[in-house]
Amino acid sequence: EVQLLESGGGLVQPGGSLRLSCAASGFTFSTFAMSWVRQAPGKGLEWVSVISDSAGSTFYADSVKGRFTISRDNSKNTLYLQMNSLRVEDTAVYYCAKSNGGNCYGSQDYWGQGTLVTVSS
Amino acid sequence: DIVMTQSPDSLAVSLGERATINCKSSQSVLYNSNNKNYLAWYQQKPGQPPKLLIYWASTRESGVPDRFSGSGSGTDFTLTISSLQAEDVAVYYCQQHYSIPFTFGPGTKVDIK
Repeated sequence: EVQLLESGGGLVQPGGSLRLSCAASGFTFSTFAMSWVRQAPGKGLEWVSVISDSAGSTFYADSVKGRFTISRDNSKNTLYLQMNSLRVEDTAVYYCAKSNGGNCYGSQDYWGQGTLVTVSS
Repeated sequence: DIVMTQSPDSLAVSLGERATINCKSSQSVLYNSNNKNYLAWYQQKPGQPPKLLIYWASTRESGVPDRFSGSGSGTDFTLTISSLQAEDVAVYYCQQHYSIPFTFGPGTKVDIK
């Protein structure tokens, strides 16, 4: 059974940093691209970032480019999102999602339960 | 960026009746080299993460009931629930994964009339 378990969310002040983690199990992690998608309270879905299976390719939404970094450790079956220079508008539930292929251009076939990031003073 | 729009914003359908949701992309999401539309549909119930229903615009994900179907190509797509069940109450999103940044539609809320 595919499982994705996010952690690392919490309350942070504007300008602060957080690192989210997503522990994956139930599939061969190293052969699938992985994404982060966020959802602000009461709002729709916003794609944040994607990383290919080998970490050779990474892409970001303009809203986070230069502030967020996606990475993965295939030996630990774990996906990360390093978030720096956080803004109030980054407040959201952050979902980790598995792509249905190894390259970045796939749909997301499994999602974690999400972790809440709140940016507030 | 490719802009995704959905219509209607919400709809209420009687149990057993058909629900139809439309999705339009600002440019084609059909990749000519493999003839695939990079368009997916997701269902999100309150307090839950999204769930993939349809990929490549018309391929039903494993385990998804066959009352859900997707159609369309290029820039215009449709999600149809042929016979609405109580458990289908949710918000439905389309997403293009043809070009970066991947973008979602604003969502369509489906309720029971």
